[in-house]
Amino acid sequence: QKEVEQNSGPLSVPEGAIASLNCTYSDRGSQSFFWYRQYSGKSPELIMFIYSNGDKEDGRFTAQLNKASQYVSLLIRDSQPSDSATYLCAVRSGYALNFGKGTSLLVTP
Amino acid sequence: DVKVTQSSRYLVKRTGEKVFLECVQDMDHENMFWYRQDPGLGLRLIYFSYDVKMKEKGDIPEGYSVSREKKERFSLILESASTNQTSMYLCASSQIGQGENEQYFGPGTRLTVT
Repeated sequence: QKEVEQNSGPLSVPEGAIASLNCTYSDRGSQSFFWYRQYSGKSPELIMFIYSNGDKEDGRFTAQLNKASQYVSLLIRDSQPSDSATYLCAVRSGYALNFGKGTSLLVTP
Repeated sequence: DVKVTQSSRYLVKRTGEKVFLECVQDMDHENMFWYRQDPGLGLRLIYFSYDVKMKEKGDIPEGYSVSREKKERFSLILESASTNQTSMYLCASSQIGQGENEQYFGPGTRLTVT
């Protein structure tokens, strides 16, 4: 079974701080990695994806990938209370995605 | 914008009933997926389809079947609903070659089986 592991949290950060969310995966052959945000009672929405080692930036979000260490991270700069949600890491497996169980983020005013 | 719609937001059914959950996407995506999401268990793949009339089992197909007669529509069928199928059901779609196969989700159907 290909595993995607995330700390369930909750991760609590003050407003304006950097939130750092981490994810590890077991399949060394994995090529593509995704971060989704899920508000309570809503469906997951895609934040960004990354497939090359290094960093990828999109606004306040930065995804980091280290294939040698098999981890992916998501940094959220200038965190806002509206960023409070569960963040799901996903790894592509053929046609489908394997999802982690998510990390709950709480941004306190 | 990709739009994935699901037939119901909330559904209550009785044990033993046959249940149909419908999903429609409007972006001509090849791939469609059905997941269920439960607290503490995360998102688990039930079935997926990569083309019309094609289907593949996911991680937890037992007790479910699917149908894909048209490209835009993917149905999940619970032949005889049981209480352990009470869950949030999420449909998603994706297109090979669009970005890196990112999936877009519908709003979900919260199914309660009593």
